[in-house]
Amino acid sequence: NAGVMQNPRHLVRRRGQEARLRCSPMKGHSHVYWYRQLPEEGLKFMVYLQKENIIDESGMPKERFSAEFPKEGPSILRIQQVVRGDSAAYFCASSPLAGGLQDTQYFGPGTRLTVL
Amino acid sequence: ELKVEQNPLFLSMQEGKNYTIYCNYSTTSDRLYWYRQDPGKSLESLFVLLSNGAVKQEGRLMASLDTKARLSTLHITAAVHDLSATYFCAVAPTNKLIFGTGTLLAVQP
Repeated sequence: NAGVMQNPRHLVRRRGQEARLRCSPMKGHSHVYWYRQLPEEGLKFMVYLQKENIIDESGMPKERFSAEFPKEGPSILRIQQVVRGDSAAYFCASSPLAGGLQDTQYFGPGTRLTVL
Repeated sequence: ELKVEQNPLFLSMQEGKNYTIYCNYSTTSDRLYWYRQDPGKSLESLFVLLSNGAVKQEGRLMASLDTKARLSTLHITAAVHDLSATYFCAVAPTNKLIFGTGTLLAVQP
């Protein structure tokens, strides 16, 4: 059973370009979470999605950031018109259940975004 | 605002020594997680603590939870170099994880 997959692992963009980060959850998992880790900091929640639904986007910046989890295919985190402050590691996690006491979120390897 | 605080933020210890990392959180949560992160890597799940008084052990690591005090501890016994990493606690009052600040552990020979 493959783990959570993310691609690309490293992404370099110039200011003003768009960044698209992809996440394929573990097989059988229908809940996806995105977190951002700035250099030398902990992880901060961004958004929680189920198939075709955004459940909680309270951690998403109001502008330039969007996320989706279509019926088919991976979850996508999209950052438009990137700025240097967007440079960070973006981690995706998946879980089989939402809120279950035995639920654990399993993390992907992350995408390290560098904005020049 | 929910806060999750860890201390110390940085811990340098010698091999063979024991030490404890503390995790305090400011709201009720029915779950507490400990994760390990190696430099440039993803997060590895270590423990899930589900109830007051829960204690779990894996190798040289032991985690405990006191929900009344809103405190979890991660105890390291007879540290070895392989344990060098950053350790995060996280609570989940809703579905999302709220992470602590992290503790960078460096085990010196």
